[in-house]
Amino acid sequence: KAGVTQTPRYLIKTRGQQVTLSCSPISGHRSVSWYQQTPGQGLQFLFEYFSETQRNKGNFPGRFSGRQFSNSRSEMNVSTLELGDSALYLCASRYSSGGPYNEQFFGPGTRLTVL
Amino acid sequence: AQSVTQLDSQVPVFEEAPVELRCNYSSSVSVYLFWYVQYPNQGLQLLLKYLSGSTLVKGINGFEAEFNKSQTSFHLRKPSVHISDTAEYFCAVKVQGAQKLVFGQGTRLTINP
Repeated sequence: KAGVTQTPRYLIKTRGQQVTLSCSPISGHRSVSWYQQTPGQGLQFLFEYFSETQRNKGNFPGRFSGRQFSNSRSEMNVSTLELGDSALYLCASRYSSGGPYNEQFFGPGTRLTVL
Repeated sequence: AQSVTQLDSQVPVFEEAPVELRCNYSSSVSVYLFWYVQYPNQGLQLLLKYLSGSTLVKGINGFEAEFNKSQTSFHLRKPSVHISDTAEYFCAVKVQGAQKLVFGQGTRLTINP
């Protein structure tokens, strides 16, 4: 079974631009979560989608948004990029949204650099 | 709110030596506990998890962790490390009923030959 895939793996943008990152979950998984990883703040939860609905949202500004499609693929969008948005963005999928028994599987991440 | 503290940002050890990576958490409600490993240029991989039951949890690659409720700790141990264990290790908690994982800042484990 293929793992979680994220595209692109690396991205360079300039301040003020917007960016869209894509995540394809493991086949059969319906929940997709996004995390931001930076050296200063560590790993922080952005949001989770399940069956095309946002189930939970972290403490990020409205410039960060996401969506999920009917095939469970998810995208996250960051508008008006700032230097501080430079980070590794990780996507994780699992079979369902609730409960600890279904493990989250992480993708390799998209490394975003904002110049 | 929940928080996780990994007491060591870096841990250097010699190959075949034992290692302990420390993790303390803060929560007013019951939590589930996890350890993840991140190899260079890769995502996170689950090493082990504590949900309930026995406080000693065994994971992959020879790692184990012990849940200590009174000390709110979940330290990760391995009796003999290999060069291939060089990676960053993250402790995380999940509140029962919540959706998200709260991670510690990570511990970089470096194995010296």
